[in-house]
Amino acid sequence: AQTVTQSQPEMSVQEAETVTLSCTYDTSESNYYLFWYKQPPSRQMILVIRQEAYKQQNATENRFSVNFQKAAKSFSLKISDSQLGDTAMYFCAFMKHGGGAAGNKLTFGGGTRVLVKP
Amino acid sequence: DSGVTQTPKHLITATGQRVTLRCSPRSGDLSVYWYQQSLDQGLQFLIQYYNGEERAKGNILERFSAQQFPDLHSELNLSSLELGDSALYFCASSVVGLGSHNEQFFGPGTRLTVL
Repeated sequence: AQTVTQSQPEMSVQEAETVTLSCTYDTSESNYYLFWYKQPPSRQMILVIRQEAYKQQNATENRFSVNFQKAAKSFSLKISDSQLGDTAMYFCAFMKHGGGAAGNKLTFGGGTRVLVKP
Repeated sequence: DSGVTQTPKHLITATGQRVTLRCSPRSGDLSVYWYQQSLDQGLQFLIQYYNGEERAKGNILERFSAQQFPDLHSELNLSSLELGDSALYFCASSVVGLGSHNEQFFGPGTRLTVL
């Protein structure tokens, strides 16, 4: 079974600064997907960024980028030029490629609460 | 707006009761997932349906059941409710298969409170 660990329960950052969220995972799979989801106070789950394990290039979406280290099983999220609207809970998630008996379920970490201060 | 709809938004009920949560996936998505988010358990996968068939099961209690109908909407039935079932229940949908990015899009959730 896969496990996802987010070791930082809470982080704060000044507006316009950069913050990096950590995520590690444990799997015996060689092909999989990794995701970061954002959950603002509204509780909506919003996909921030996606990484395919077979791609060496780190994914980037505007101010959000990841540092994917497959050998270390690490998948950190960097938020650049932080904005007040980035205040939210951030979840790292793992999905096995191909489904099979495990289906296409997401396995989530415990989350990191990010507070952006003006 | 993710395109996934869930009803009702809030549900307050008593222990021992039964409730049904409803989900309509994004247009074109064949797969529906149910997740439970609670303070002590975090976000947990419950069950997945694909085109009407059960695809995978997670930590879903025997008191809980789900189904996906021919029009692809899904219902999650929770019975003999206990205080510990109070949680936010999410439905998500995705396209599954070759060429898809396997991204799951989440609905706004149903907040269940068991008193």
